[in-house]
Order: sequence, then C-alpha cells, then structure tokens
Amino acid sequence: TQLLEQSPQFLSIQEGENLTVYCNSSSVFSSLQWYRQEPGEGPVLLVTVVTGGEVKKLKRLTFQFGDARKDSSLHITAAQPGDTGLYLCAGMMNYGQNFVFGPGTRLSVLP
Amino acid sequence: DSGVTQTPKHLITATGQRVTLRCSPRSGDLSVYWYQQSLDQGLQFLIQYYNGEERAKGNILERFSAQQFPDLHSELNLSSLELGDSALYFCASSDGTSGVADTQYFGPGTRLTVL
Repeated sequence: TQLLEQSPQFLSIQEGENLTVYCNSSSVFSSLQWYRQEPGEGPVLLVTVVTGGEVKKLKRLTFQFGDARKDSSLHITAAQPGDTGLYLCAGMMNYGQNFVFGPGTRLSVLP
Repeated sequence: DSGVTQTPKHLITATGQRVTLRCSPRSGDLSVYWYQQSLDQGLQFLIQYYNGEERAKGNILERFSAQQFPDLHSELNLSSLELGDSALYFCASSDGTSGVADTQYFGPGTRLTVL
C-alpha cells in the first residue's frame, strides 16, 4: 500500500490544454514537494510547500497544499510539449527526516 | 546538471554477485540520500547520511549497506544480488540544514541489471 497516492496515473493531452494532477494521503506531512523526472534522468525539484492551504505559482504551474497537509495538487495551464514527463510528489513524514515519494503521474503533451 | 555525480552509469552483473555504487554530492552538501526506482515500486527511499553519520533509514534490505566517507562521497553496496534488485539507483544530496524545506538534488542514476 502506497503512503502517497497520485492520480491520474497516466495523462495524455493536446498542447494548450489545462490539467490538474493530485497527490493524496491519509497521513499528515510536514512539507510536500513536487518533482518532474524525464527519461534517463533524476527527478528535478519544482516546488516545496510547507504551510497548510499554501498556494505557489511557478510560471504556468500552480501548486496547492491542502489545509490539513494531507494532499496537494498541481495545475498546469496551457500545457506545452516541454511539460512532458513523470510528475512525482514527495511528502516529509517527520521534521527533518526523509521524504516518501508517490508513484507518479506520467504526462504526455502532444503537439 | 545537478552537480551530483554517480558512477557507474550502467552496471550488468549476475545473481549472487556484489556491486558498489558511488556518489559524489554537490560541493558543500553534507547530506546524501540513496533511492531505488523500479517500474513496480516507484522511487523508494533507502538511506540517508549526514556528515558521515546515518540519519534516516527507509526500505533498505539487509543485503544492502551504505556509508559516507570523510570527503562526503558515499557508496552503496549491494550483495547477494537477485533478479528483483534490477532497478535505477539514485543518489541525491542536500545541505541538510533546511529541515522540512530541504532541497534534494538528484544525480543521473546508476542502472543496475541483474541477469
């Protein structure tokens, strides 16, 4: 059983469309991070959210941390082929300790 | 380029063998993490070291061990290898002082294939 669930597992959309991917858990996290991983490479950190209800924007990407710090969402506006990749969320269970990763959402943006 | 280096990039070996994976963290980073990524299990945290000391342990098998040396590079030793150990192994580093907002920088990974 995964501590962190991500949905959808796969997503294929056309360039210009909007999308939202979700990261859910029954556990409370000290912080939550989103990463993007491209084939053959290591994950790259996109954002860290720490406060319940926090919203962060990174160009066309909007990240939200749930009020109860158990879930998060990533919204991409006007997706581009360069957004293609595996999106991973990672939650920190205990302060200053390790992150637990979700299984990922594999996004494909078609031109 | 994250600044984290891992060697080798690819490793092919047989069941029952032992291998060592090496990681050099970013300059100035004191913390090193090891992860295993397989298709069915996703990215699994194995172990974390901070300035030479073990700080956190995850789903690391007893056949696996790691250490961090005085120059801060780290090695992950995998022994009595099984087919199921085939995976991508990532090393990540961070300064280890930012607590819940710690930023991990991942290396390019070592792809291990056990035949």
